[in-house]
Amino acid sequence: GAVVSQHPSWVICKSGTSVKIECRSLDFQATTMFWYRQFPKQSLMLMATSNEGSKATYEQGVEKDKFLINHASLTLSTLTVTSAHPEDSSFYICSARGGGSLNEQFFGPGTRLTVL
Amino acid sequence: DAKTTQPNSMESNEEEPVHLPCNHSTISGTDYIHWYRQLPSQGPEYVIHGLTSNVNNRMASLAIAEDRKSSTLILHRATLRDAAVYYCILAGSGTYKYIFGTGTRLKVLA
Repeated sequence: GAVVSQHPSWVICKSGTSVKIECRSLDFQATTMFWYRQFPKQSLMLMATSNEGSKATYEQGVEKDKFLINHASLTLSTLTVTSAHPEDSSFYICSARGGGSLNEQFFGPGTRLTVL
Repeated sequence: DAKTTQPNSMESNEEEPVHLPCNHSTISGTDYIHWYRQLPSQGPEYVIHGLTSNVNNRMASLAIAEDRKSSTLILHRATLRDAAVYYCILAGSGTYKYIFGTGTRLKVLA
């Protein structure tokens, strides 16, 4: 299957700082990438959908100025958590669509963010 | 977005078949049925997907009801490595968005 990577796999930062997470499709071109957040013992929650070269579409309740998404190429999307606070601590997972069948998504391994 | 309903948890003995059900009574004609599984601290892993006909691959089989309002993921011989949370997701050919439900936590007993 198609491979999606994320970097870093984990990050610890101080409150008030910004953190950037990268999502790459390694062996296919991703027309669409998605960002999810998952709190402990809960399911994945879709945060936003991004298409290469255009602005991301955010789900209701997700602050677009706090979670900046850039999808500059067909293989790379970034999520920047700006002015992070402890409540932003979570498991962030990206997925990419475009390498498989009609609308299949391939997921990255996730990035665990801890804000102190 | 069409919703799916799955049991919170199921148990199976190792080497035995497992049938994981999913109800999706509001499915539309263009919705594909996708199954993923997630191990702790990992991203979801694709298992199988289908539209109307039953599907088989090396990991599992997907049985889709004739009216498409329910489906069943079949693991033919459960192993300890199959212990995970299994998600059933509907995605239309237009939106491609996945809305995750609570999933089924599968425990495999040795």
